[in-house]
Amino acid sequence: QVQLVESGGGLVKPGGSLRLSCAASGFNFRDYYMSWIRQTPGKGLEWVSYISSSGHAIYYADSVKGRFTVSRDNSNNSLYLQMNSLRAEDTAVYYCARDKRLFCRNGFCYGSLFDDWGQGTLVTVSS
Amino acid sequence: DIQMTQSPSSLSASVGDRVTITCRASQSIDNYLNWYQQKPGRAPKLLIYTASSLESGVPSRFSGSGSGTDFTLSISSLQHEDFATYYCQQSHSTPFTFGPGTKVDIK
Repeated sequence: QVQLVESGGGLVKPGGSLRLSCAASGFNFRDYYMSWIRQTPGKGLEWVSYISSSGHAIYYADSVKGRFTVSRDNSNNSLYLQMNSLRAEDTAVYYCARDKRLFCRNGFCYGSLFDDWGQGTLVTVSS
Repeated sequence: DIQMTQSPSSLSASVGDRVTITCRASQSIDNYLNWYQQKPGRAPKLLIYTASSLESGVPSRFSGSGSGTDFTLSISSLQHEDFATYYCQQSHSTPFTFGPGTKVDIK
């Protein structure tokens, strides 16, 4: 069955960096878009970023653009999120999710749905 | 960005009750609307996609409807395991956005 396991969370000071990893198994990882989604008690669920199956299409939420970088290694079935210049408001549980697309047209895929999620990893940004 | 709202923010219901949750988008999203269930300490779980399609393995007591800006999630006969928080999410355009959630608890 599909399994997504995040790691790399922890306590970091404001301005610091952290790299999250997500190990995928149970499906053809290279065939799927993947997303990072975070959750805080105050702001609820917030989509952070997605990366296409090939890695050629990448999008970020404005709140993390320029500070976070998503990447993937299809040979190792792994997804990553490099987080730099961290702020207190980045404190959240971070989930990786399989980002299933319903149809593709002209090299881009649409109709995103998050059909499998990891267990989440907690990132705390505090001095 | 497309804003998603949900009502009510919480509700109390009994086992066997029919429950309806509403989600509204700030602009038309066609039928690009998904519903998730989340229990405490767990990741969200996909229930419904494209407004009305039931995800594999999800009980048929769950159903979704709507298009454009107004959507509903219905549970025909609430079971013990359905007490949870429910979120809608639009996938019409980035940034993908979620509603604030509706918590369903036991009356």
